[in-house]
Order: sequence, then C-alpha cells, then structure tokens
Amino acid sequence: DSGVTQTPKHLITATGQRVTLRCSPRSGDLSVYWYQQSLDQGLQFLIQYYNGEERAKGNILERFSAQQFPDLHSELNLSSLELGDSALYFCASSTSGGTEYEQYFGPGTRLTVT
Amino acid sequence: ILNVEQSPQSLHVQEGDSTNFTCSFPSSNFYALHWYRWETAKSPEALFVMTLNGDEKKKGRISATLNTKEGYSYLYIKGSQPEDSATYLCGQNRDDKIIFGKGTRLHILP
Repeated sequence: DSGVTQTPKHLITATGQRVTLRCSPRSGDLSVYWYQQSLDQGLQFLIQYYNGEERAKGNILERFSAQQFPDLHSELNLSSLELGDSALYFCASSTSGGTEYEQYFGPGTRLTVT
Repeated sequence: ILNVEQSPQSLHVQEGDSTNFTCSFPSSNFYALHWYRWETAKSPEALFVMTLNGDEKKKGRISATLNTKEGYSYLYIKGSQPEDSATYLCGQNRDDKIIFGKGTRLHILP
C-alpha cells in the first residue's frame, strides 16, 4: 500500500459525459501527478500539481482539466468523453516538486467509455 | 535516440536464472532516470532513481547501472523468483516530467 488513494476504482460512462477522478496523496506529500495508461501505450504523463499550483503539463487534452485543493487532494476532470479516453488513470505523489524524487502511485481508476 | 526505449519487450526466464534488460534514452541534458516495478493488477512501485553517470544501485537481488554519456541503463535480477514476474518500467526526467518507456514484461517460468 503506497498511501495514495484514488476513487472511484472503476467508472463506466457514456460518450459525451463528464467524470471526476479523485486522488489523495500520501501524508506530507506536496506533489500530485496524473498519468494515463491506454492499451498498447506506455504510462503517459498528463499534469503535475505542487502545493496547489500547476507545475508541469504533458499531453493533456483540452477536454481534461485538473486542480489541487488546499488539503492537497487533487481531482482530474474529463469532459466530452470519447471512446478513446477509456484507460487506466493513475495518480502519484511525491514529497517535493522535483521529478528526481520517487513517486508513489495510487491503485488507479479504470475508466470505460461506452 | 529521441524516446525512452526498453528492450526486450517481453522476456521469459527460468526460475533461479539471472537476467537483465535495457533502457535507452537521449543522453543530452540528462537529469535523472527512474526504474519502477509494476505487477499485474497493482500500481507501479519505485525501485531506483539514478542521477550520476556510473551510478550503481541495489535492492536485494535487483540492481541497476547507469551510463548517462551513452544513454543507457541496465536492470539486473539475480536468481529470479516467481515474485519477480512483473513489468519493469524505466522513465527519464525531461522538462519537469518523467517520460516512460513501454516496459519490459518479465515472466518467470517454474
């Protein structure tokens, strides 16, 4: 158990809908990262927040957005969902903002868009 | 090399044998390299973060080496056990993010 929690574990929704994925980092960690794992794709970095501020952005679609709240939990919002958005979404946390530190991954949220 | 590449994609090893696999990455502006172990139905778990050329790190039967000048890292597993079956991911720090390879999937045969 990494100490990072993600909810929900599974999510099934229809095309065009909007969903919110939630992540609580390990106690004391200030950075939260979001990743997408699609079929046949590696782990793709989406976005990082550090202490409430956006720090780095990957290939995140405009339909996706995220935020980190004062209690350091983070939410990833996915809207106008398409079939291709079906994937495993991971959240990870680390103590500091630099990516030279180990990241601790949550169990993931499996999103299925039908 | 422009991307992080791992080879082989998949590997079958007899229990008790030792094995190794490779992560290749762009050598320019190197900052750090990560190795993660990812068991099926679980989440990736950090093994090593390596920053210096010539670094060697060890955790139990697993060790890794780093050559930043030529852009590669090796992961070694000594005396493979069934619990070593997993996907091993490497990722390179680049522009404040980690770019991951597609992993090497290791199967340990009894």
